Amino acid sequence: GENVEQHPSTLSVQEGDSAVIKCTYSDSASNYFPWYKQELGKRPQLIIDIRSNVGEKKDQRIAVTLNKTAKHFSLHITETQPEDSAVYFCAASNSWGKLQFGAGTQVVVTP
Amino acid sequence: SAVISQKPSRDICQRGTSLTIQCQVDSQVTMMFWYRQQPGQSLTLIATANQGSEATYESGFVIDKFPISRPNLTFSTLTVSNMSPEDSSIYLCSVETSRSSYNEQFFGPGTRLTVL
Repeated sequence: GENVEQHPSTLSVQEGDSAVIKCTYSDSASNYFPWYKQELGKRPQLIIDIRSNVGEKKDQRIAVTLNKTAKHFSLHITETQPEDSAVYFCAASNSWGKLQFGAGTQVVVTP
Repeated sequence: SAVISQKPSRDICQRGTSLTIQCQVDSQVTMMFWYRQQPGQSLTLIATANQGSEATYESGFVIDKFPISRPNLTFSTLTVSNMSPEDSSIYLCSVETSRSSYNEQFFGPGTRLTVL
């Protein structure tokens, strides 16, 4: 089955700096890669996703890149703000819809 | 996106008892899933709730422990049976609203279960 590894487990950044979270996956059949943000006590929220026919996708301050050959994808947050502090999860899925999640990255943005 | 609700939002239960968690969506959805999130951990898929047929369970999860129903396209239940303290966790349902935007999943608010 699919295995998703996520790094780093914690990330501290100064407000205004960029944050990068990296994930690798094992199943070459995976074709959908979402990112979720989970604030303390809240449900995971889908913030951006990318499909295997696209190499990069951007939405305001967040962007995701995908390298299918290397089987890795990354989340980039620019101009970080305190409200970006949360746990971020990457995931991978094939057409059947089952999401395999990474272990999560605790992001702390300090003013 | 769809509005997803879960009941109860939290519960404290005694070991050996069972709890049924409900997931309600305000519109018909194609796929519904149940996940478990243990304290400070990631999300683990328990099963896919299939409408009108038996759920499809992931490795390590069995129907006798986690029976699931999905009587229609807007509702599903997950029962945690014969509970032990190790079942203390957050249980979340998720839905995939349309095969046209396949794989996009949205989560319910979760049910926080504590087993004493």
